[in-house]
Amino acid sequence: NAGVTQTPKFQVLKTGQSMTLQCAQDMNHNSMYWYRQDPGMGLRLIYYSASEGTTDKGEVPNGYNVSRLNKREFSLRLESAAPSQTSVYFCASSDKGTGELFFGEGSRLTVL
Amino acid sequence: GQQVMQIPQYQHVQEGEDFTTYCNSSTTLSNIQWYKQRPGGHPVFLIQLVKSGEVKKQKRLTFQFGEAKKNSSLHITATQTTDVGTYFCARAQYNFNKFYFGSGTKLNVKP
Repeated sequence: NAGVTQTPKFQVLKTGQSMTLQCAQDMNHNSMYWYRQDPGMGLRLIYYSASEGTTDKGEVPNGYNVSRLNKREFSLRLESAAPSQTSVYFCASSDKGTGELFFGEGSRLTVL
Repeated sequence: GQQVMQIPQYQHVQEGEDFTTYCNSSTTLSNIQWYKQRPGGHPVFLIQLVKSGEVKKQKRLTFQFGEAKKNSSLHITATQTTDVGTYFCARAQYNFNKFYFGSGTKLNVKP
């Protein structure tokens, strides 16, 4: 039972490059989330998906796109990376009944 | 707005001292959650409070939800080096579709 799995764990990009962060959960949760974490700013919600086939914007969606491929997988895409997107990205899922968020181990992204 | 404000930003204590972090909102909260993130790790759920005036304990940790449901606190009695990390509060929308986090309190414990 792996919980929430994110790949890659580390990535360095040049400005303007694109990449996709992958996330999968094996807990049969309906809701999935992408957060970014920057020093002193806590975790900020980028996008979330309440169920398969639905996605919605969070607090800081600009520059990102998401895909809820199926119930297990929720990917985050940066089409044209910018230095301001240097951050640690966390994927999470939750069981609506308990409200508890389960986080992946994070993906550290550096944009040069 | 949607945010919850958390203070202090940093706290350095000697092992054995107590520690408290506070979470405040300008609006009434339907619930408050607390998470702990160890250095280099990911946030881990600690507890959820939903009732006005609720107090819950987990060993040396005491969580409170204010009577007006606009503030919450996490108190650690007799800190240990294993308590080192950043503690976040978070509020969930009523349907648990969005979770908004405070900026966190980073706790350092000197042995």
